[in-house]
Amino acid sequence: QQQVKQSPQSLIVQKGGISIINCAYENTAFDYFPWYQQFPGKGPALLIAIRPDVSEKKEGRFTISFNKSAKQFSLHIMDSQPGDSATYFCAASSASGTDKLIFGTGTRLQVFP
Amino acid sequence: DAGVIQSPRHEVTEMGQEVTLRCKPISGHDYLFWYRQTMMRGLELLIYFNNNVPIDDSGMPEDRFSAKMPNASFSTLKIQPSEPRDSAVYFCASSLVDAQFFGPGTRLTVL
Repeated sequence: QQQVKQSPQSLIVQKGGISIINCAYENTAFDYFPWYQQFPGKGPALLIAIRPDVSEKKEGRFTISFNKSAKQFSLHIMDSQPGDSATYFCAASSASGTDKLIFGTGTRLQVFP
Repeated sequence: DAGVIQSPRHEVTEMGQEVTLRCKPISGHDYLFWYRQTMMRGLELLIYFNNNVPIDDSGMPEDRFSAKMPNASFSTLKIQPSEPRDSAVYFCASSLVDAQFFGPGTRLTVL
């Protein structure tokens, strides 16, 4: 019940295209869902986060869509750029930054020019 | 602020040796987390502290692992004795109310 399932494992997108990464969870106590971006040799960096009281949150080219009833959430990267090539992790916790994050398995995104 | 600081960035040691990883959280943050990242297990929490007190250490693999936070600006993760299966990247993260901010990690290789 503590798992967060992430798909796909890898994703190849053309520059300017839309990248979509999906995550699903089971624990209904989760109330904070962040996405992290990780470049090789670096620590994960917070990209965007959402709470279950909203169904969508947008920051620039990055959008989280949240479906509470289906217990699913997804990251959409619009107008994908080669600089977006990285590994993306979804995560969930029951108390935002004050509780442990349960991470998905990661999606390696490659954006080709 | 300088962000979360970890040292060393790379550590290579031999099986059986003691390893100490260090972390300086962002000033003012009262939560500190230790995570481990491997290809096989992904990112997993080892232990976290609130106001220097350990809150959840259920992710610590075994007694060979120990963590301390003697003050608000410093934490250590110690492995004694180290084993090859401990090879991984160890991340420290800190938070105040919301987002967790990760350090650059320590890449540990145990030969």
